[in-house]
Amino acid sequence: DSGVTQTPKHLITATGQRVTLRCSPRSGDLSVYWYQQSLDQGLQFLIQYYNGEERAKGNILERFSAQQFPDLHSELNLSSLELGDSALYFCASSVDGHPGDTEAFFGQGTRLTVV
Amino acid sequence: TQLLEQSPQFLSIQEGENLTVYCNSSSVFSSLQWYRQEPGEGPVLLVTVVTGGEVKKLKRLTFQFGDARKDSSLHITAAQPGDTGLYLCAGAPYNQGGKLIFGQGTELSVKP
Repeated sequence: DSGVTQTPKHLITATGQRVTLRCSPRSGDLSVYWYQQSLDQGLQFLIQYYNGEERAKGNILERFSAQQFPDLHSELNLSSLELGDSALYFCASSVDGHPGDTEAFFGQGTRLTVV
Repeated sequence: TQLLEQSPQFLSIQEGENLTVYCNSSSVFSSLQWYRQEPGEGPVLLVTVVTGGEVKKLKRLTFQFGDARKDSSLHITAAQPGDTGLYLCAGAPYNQGGKLIFGQGTELSVKP
């Protein structure tokens, strides 16, 4: 158990819908990262928040947005869903903002299926 | 666009054999990490290398960071069935916050 909690574990929804994925970081971790993992693209960095502020942005679509709340939990919102958005979405957390300096712990992921 | 190319993509070997996984890029990274991922789980960090030319050993696993900080390798000695899994390399670009660039992964299967 990494200490990072993601809910829900599985999500099936229709095209055009909107979903929210939730992440609770490890106790004491200030940084939260979101990743998308698919068979063809591998693990892709989406966005990072550090203590409530956006710190780094990756290949995140405009239809996707995220935020980190004062209690440090984070949500990833995916809207106008397309079939190609079906993937595993991982949240990770670390004590500070640079994963090269400190270990990032990954949650078990949310498997999103768009039908 | 920064990319990390991992090879091979798939590797199936017998218990006791040695293997090497390569991670190459044309970009320079401030550090490089190796992760292992089991089915249904998130990646778990194995090691972080931060200095060009650095070699780190973790039991039967040896990790090397290239002198130019563009490539890395993972060598496993006397592989065991418990080593089976997806191995991922990830590079941290300079001045891009917490962004990590992941390789496509190497799916390793070690047969008893």
